[in-house]
Amino acid sequence: GENVEQHPSTLSVQEGDSAVIKCTYSDSASNYFPWYKQELGKGPQLIIDIRSNVGEKKDQRIAVTLNKTAKHFSLHITETQPEDSAVYFCAASTSGNTPLVFGKGTRLSVIA
Amino acid sequence: GAGVSQSPSNKVTEKGKDVELRCDPISGHTALYWYRQSLGQGLEFLIYFQGNSAPDKSGLPSDRFSAERTGGSVSTLTIQRTQQEDSAVYLCASSLAGTNTEAFFGQGTRLTVV
Repeated sequence: GENVEQHPSTLSVQEGDSAVIKCTYSDSASNYFPWYKQELGKGPQLIIDIRSNVGEKKDQRIAVTLNKTAKHFSLHITETQPEDSAVYFCAASTSGNTPLVFGKGTRLSVIA
Repeated sequence: GAGVSQSPSNKVTEKGKDVELRCDPISGHTALYWYRQSLGQGLEFLIYFQGNSAPDKSGLPSDRFSAERTGGSVSTLTIQRTQQEDSAVYLCASSLAGTNTEAFFGQGTRLTVV
């Protein structure tokens, strides 16, 4: 089955700097790659997703890139703010009928 | 409308007792998932319901765990003879269609087995 690896497990950046979180997946049939943000005491919330027919997607300060050949995808957050501090999870799905497999998460701390 | 609702928000139970966790998905969502999140860990898949199809139970860790979804809406996760290692946050999510559409998570049920 699918296996998703996520790095780093923790990341500290200065406010205003960029943050990059990377994930690799094992199943070449995976075609949907969402990123979730989890704040303390809350359930994860989708922040951006990408499908296998595109290589990059951007939404304001957040962007995701996908390299299907290498089977890895990355989350980029620019101009980080303290409210970006949270745990971020990447995930992958091979189709609409297989479970979404999550990475182990990255705890991002933005230092003011 | 409301998001995914889970109850109870917190549950403390004695080792060996059975517990039931409830999930009310977003109305109209055909897919429903249960995940387990241990302290500081990632999301471990437990079970997935999609419409009228047989559920994918491949993530259930033991036969003490079971789940059902009645009428294609509310779901109940049951843990029998709870063990201390069952202590975790149990998250439910639903999505409009399959697993390649946005999943909306509830706030979870924090289960503590003492």
